[in-house]
Amino acid sequence: ETGVTQTPRHLVMGMTNKKSLKCEQHLGHNAMYWYKQSAKKPLELMFVYNFKEQTENNSVPSRFSPECPNSSHLFLHLHTLQPEDSALYLCASSRTPGGGNYGYTFGSGTRLTVV
Amino acid sequence: AQSVAQPEDQVNVAEGNPLTVKCTYSVSGNPYLFWYVQYPNRGLQFLLKYITGDNLVKGSYGFEAEFNKSQTSFHLKKPSALVSDSALYFCAVRGLNSGNTPLVFGKGTRLSVIA
Repeated sequence: ETGVTQTPRHLVMGMTNKKSLKCEQHLGHNAMYWYKQSAKKPLELMFVYNFKEQTENNSVPSRFSPECPNSSHLFLHLHTLQPEDSALYLCASSRTPGGGNYGYTFGSGTRLTVV
Repeated sequence: AQSVAQPEDQVNVAEGNPLTVKCTYSVSGNPYLFWYVQYPNRGLQFLLKYITGDNLVKGSYGFEAEFNKSQTSFHLKKPSALVSDSALYFCAVRGLNSGNTPLVFGKGTRLSVIA
């Protein structure tokens, strides 16, 4: 257990469904991140939140909608996804924005399959 | 701009032999460098980091990495590979003075240790 918990671990959803991924950290970290990891592709940074404020959105389609209600929780709301959105979605947190000299702590990920 | 390169998609090594996973980087100024390991369907786990000081950094599971400023490299090494070391390895970098800029990750190198 890393201190960053992601739920659910696995999710199968149809293209017309709406679902949410949850990430929770009790490490006292002030920055949180969503990454997408597809087979045979590099890690893709999707969103960055520093002190609950979104600071980066790397041209992510609007069918992905992040929410950060407090510095311990991060959500990724999903709607009308496409099969190519099937991937492992990773949440990470860091003590300071950018990671400083401590780096990131990652959750175990949510394996998403869009059918 | 920050960047990191892992030139090998795949490294194969026999159990008991030494292993090296290569990483080169580009940042303005001094770097913070990290290695992470990912086992199947898991998040990334921290292995080791270079912040300052000794160029040879020791980390978890018997891994070490050597920081070489003139060659802008941070290769991951282990004297004697185990089958259980088989995983995906990521190098990451950020500049000391890069503010809140997120870590930049390499595309990953898959290590396969053969018994």
